[in-house]
Amino acid sequence: DTGVSQDPRHKITKRGQNVTFRCDPISEHNRLYWYRQTLGQGPEFLTYFQNEAQLEKSRLLSDRFSAERPKGSFSTLEIQRTEQGDSAMYLCASSAYPRRAHYGYTFGSGTRLTVV
Amino acid sequence: AQTVTQSQPEMSVQEAETVTLSCTYDTSESDYYLFWYKQPPSRQMILVIRQEAYKQQNATENRFSVNFQKAAKSFSLKISDSQLGDAAMYFCAYSAGGTSYGKLTFGQGTILTVHP
Repeated sequence: DTGVSQDPRHKITKRGQNVTFRCDPISEHNRLYWYRQTLGQGPEFLTYFQNEAQLEKSRLLSDRFSAERPKGSFSTLEIQRTEQGDSAMYLCASSAYPRRAHYGYTFGSGTRLTVV
Repeated sequence: AQTVTQSQPEMSVQEAETVTLSCTYDTSESDYYLFWYKQPPSRQMILVIRQEAYKQQNATENRFSVNFQKAAKSFSLKISDSQLGDAAMYFCAYSAGGTSYGKLTFGQGTILTVHP
């Protein structure tokens, strides 16, 4: 078990470009969550999946954002036509639902996006 | 919508002393869970402690304990015998129970400094 892996760790992009991030959850975890964290703030929920089904998408997420988990394993988060306000740390987490112990709920190290 | 509020942007403590971090929340749910997470600089989010709303007994994990006041919707974290390694950003978080369990709402965070 190597934990939750996110790639890339850092991404610098020009405004207007598209970017895609990848998250590899812990293999036996069926739920996968995406959060966005701006500097000095708490993470904000973006969306989450159970297996390949996207169960909820935050109203904070504009139409420029899309997430997929095509085979119920890894997930991608794509941002189209990036804006400077998209600069943030994008965190992924995974868990085994409906286990309630929560101690298996694991965050990745995040992808830091800088839009210039 | 659920909200989580941490009113202390920064706190400091002397090594070996005790410090309490405050958190209040708002929810209309009866089934929910509360958490404290630690985020060291440039490192991933780590669960410190979890409290089930239906449990009257306050959770404890070694030097970490909570004071859960359900009627007041207050959930404070007490760190005893503070250590240099406790220095980090601390986030209070909330999750509803049921099928939404695991979708976390975070507070703004409290930066904890530990002085030797």
